[in-house]
Order: sequence, then C-alpha cells, then structure tokens
Amino acid sequence: NAGVTQTPKFQVLKTGQSMTLQCAQDMNHEYMSWYRQDPGMGLRLIHYSVGAGITDQGEVPNGYNVSRSTTEDFPLRLLSAAPSQTSVYFCASSDWGQGNYGYTFGSGTRLTVV
Amino acid sequence: AQSVAQPEDQVNVAEGNPLTVKCTYSVSGNPYLFWYVQYPNRGLQFLLKYITGDNLVKGSYGFEAEFNKSQTSFHLKKPSALVSDSALYFCAVRDMAAGNTPLVFGKGTRLSVIA
Repeated sequence: NAGVTQTPKFQVLKTGQSMTLQCAQDMNHEYMSWYRQDPGMGLRLIHYSVGAGITDQGEVPNGYNVSRSTTEDFPLRLLSAAPSQTSVYFCASSDWGQGNYGYTFGSGTRLTVV
Repeated sequence: AQSVAQPEDQVNVAEGNPLTVKCTYSVSGNPYLFWYVQYPNRGLQFLLKYITGDNLVKGSYGFEAEFNKSQTSFHLKKPSALVSDSALYFCAVRDMAAGNTPLVFGKGTRLSVIA
C-alpha cells in the first residue's frame, strides 16, 4: 500500500546510545519532515527536506541529524540519546509540486531513552 | 511568522449533540488551513483542508469547517457527535506568502464524546 513507512515502531535506548529512525515513502513526494509529539506540546518540527539533497532545521533540531540522499528516504539520526528525547516521532511527506500541501503521516516510532 | 492556536485542551460532548473544536490562526498572507485527527496509538489522519473557494469545507467522517477571514478562525464542526469521534484533533496552517515552509500545528484538542 502506498504511504509513509516508519521503522521501528518501538525502541528503548540507553543514554548515550545512537540510533537511526527510518522513514520511507513511495508516493514520489518531494517534501518530507520529522516531528516529535510530547504531551501538552503538540507536534514540534525537528527537520524537514524540500527535495533530495536539501534539508533544513525546524523548531527543535538539537540532538538530531538528517540527510536526504534519495526522494524516498529521510532517516533521522540520534547521535547520543538523552532522556529528553523520549517521545513519539512522526515522519510526514507532501506533494507540494502538485499543489497538495497536506501531509501524509507515518504511524510513528515510540522512543524511550533510559 | 505563522502560528495557530487551539484554545481548548479538552472538549466534552454528549453523543448526538453537535460538536465544535476551535482553531484560530495568524499569517501575514492568505492561509492554507488543515484539520487532522489522531486516534490512540496511531499517526495523524487528514480530515479536511481550506485552500481557496467556499468558506465552508466538508471533509471525512461528516466533519466540516468554516473559514472566517475576519475572525481568523477555522473551527471544526459536526452536527451529531459519535463516540467513535473521540480522538485528538490538530489544526494546522501554512502561509501562502511564505514559500516552501512547513505546516505549523496547534497543540491539539482532545475530544471526548460521551454515550
């Protein structure tokens, strides 16, 4: 089925460990982004990309890296996990080139840092 | 800068009654406006959008929203609430004048429909 696929769905990390959250879409969308969702904080933008090879920071980029080597994939890297990064992470994509500014969201990754 | 506010953290309504979830926005140009719904342990799902045209927008699951430019609002409504409508609702905005910028989301409103 077409859509945005996030892996893993759940992850527990120890403080200081690194990991990559994967996001892939098969809709040829040029725009992709990462959000984190915390209680009472809504969705906060971490990083986004308007096309392959182009990335930019959002509202809360510290502690996270991204790259966009292909249109399909937009991985989010945590270099040294901290308890403050415990959250639910959502990847989203959009087809801005066709005038569709709405987002398609993945099902999320629930990350716990202990 | 663009921003969106959802003034209610929680809305409670009895099943069968009409429901309203409020959203106000601030942009320098004209807005693109969206509503999304999130069911427990799920990602966000698109409900409806306003880009241009009629101020009353109809969306999925019987929801509708009215764009009011003078009040800078985009309230979500449904004539008769169902228990299955209980979820977290997010309003989002993008400024047409801001170029390729991401959507800005509100903090969300939790809707509880009581049988």
